[in-house]
Amino acid sequence: TQTVSQSDAHVTVFEGDSVELRCNYSYGGSIYLSWYIQHHGRGLQFLLKYYSGNPVVQGVNGFEAEFSKSDSSFHLRKASVHWSDSAVYFCAVSAGNNAGAKLTFGGGTRLTVRP
Amino acid sequence: EAGVTQSPRYAVLQEGQAVSFWCDPISGHDTLYWYQQPRDQGPQLLVYFRDEAVIDNSQLPSDRFSAVRPKGTNSTLKIQSAKQGDTATYLCASSLGPYAEQFFGPGTRLTVL
Repeated sequence: TQTVSQSDAHVTVFEGDSVELRCNYSYGGSIYLSWYIQHHGRGLQFLLKYYSGNPVVQGVNGFEAEFSKSDSSFHLRKASVHWSDSAVYFCAVSAGNNAGAKLTFGGGTRLTVRP
Repeated sequence: EAGVTQSPRYAVLQEGQAVSFWCDPISGHDTLYWYQQPRDQGPQLLVYFRDEAVIDNSQLPSDRFSAVRPKGTNSTLKIQSAKQGDTATYLCASSLGPYAEQFFGPGTRLTVL
C-alpha cells in the first residue's frame, strides 16, 4: 500500500518569493506522482505528473517538481509566486499497475501569498 | 470544451435521509471517479468506473453507498441513510483512460445534521 505525506499544512510567502511544497511517499515499486491545486470552493486542477524519465517535470503556470527516489520525495517548486497561486496543493501517488488510476492524496498544503 | 459538471452543488440532510449526487463527465472520457473529501483533508477515492463497469469500489461503504454508470456516460452516487460522518464534499472526476490526468468537477458539499 502506498502512502503520501505533506509535512507542511500551511505555507505563507510574499508575492515574488520562491516556494517549495514538500511531498514524501512510501512505496517500494514503480510509482506515478502528481500534483493538483484546489482554489477555495472549487474542484481540483491538474498541475503536473511524473512516471518515468527526466526527474524534473514542468507543469502549468511556472510550477515544476522534482522526483527523488533516494529521498522518496516529489517536491513542488515555483521560482516567483503570484497572489493567484494562493490555494491548497495536493500531492497524489499511485502505484504499480494502477498507475494514474487509483490515486492516494496527501492531506494538502495551504499556500497563502501575501502582497 | 465543457468541464465535469455536478449537481446539486449543496445538500443539507437530517441523519437517516437519502441523497443522490449526479455527475456528467467530459464528453468522451471513459473513466469516471467519485471521491469523498472531508473538510481540510485530501480527497479519498470511493469508486471508479471504466465505461459502465466498476473497476474498484473497495473504499465504498456498501451498506449505505451505491454508484452506477449505466450507459458509460453520466453517473449517480447515492447515500441511502446518511450519517453525520458523511458530511464532506463529494467530487467527481473523469479521464481519458485510467492513466491520464483527472479532470474534477466543482463538487457537491453535503452537510448531515
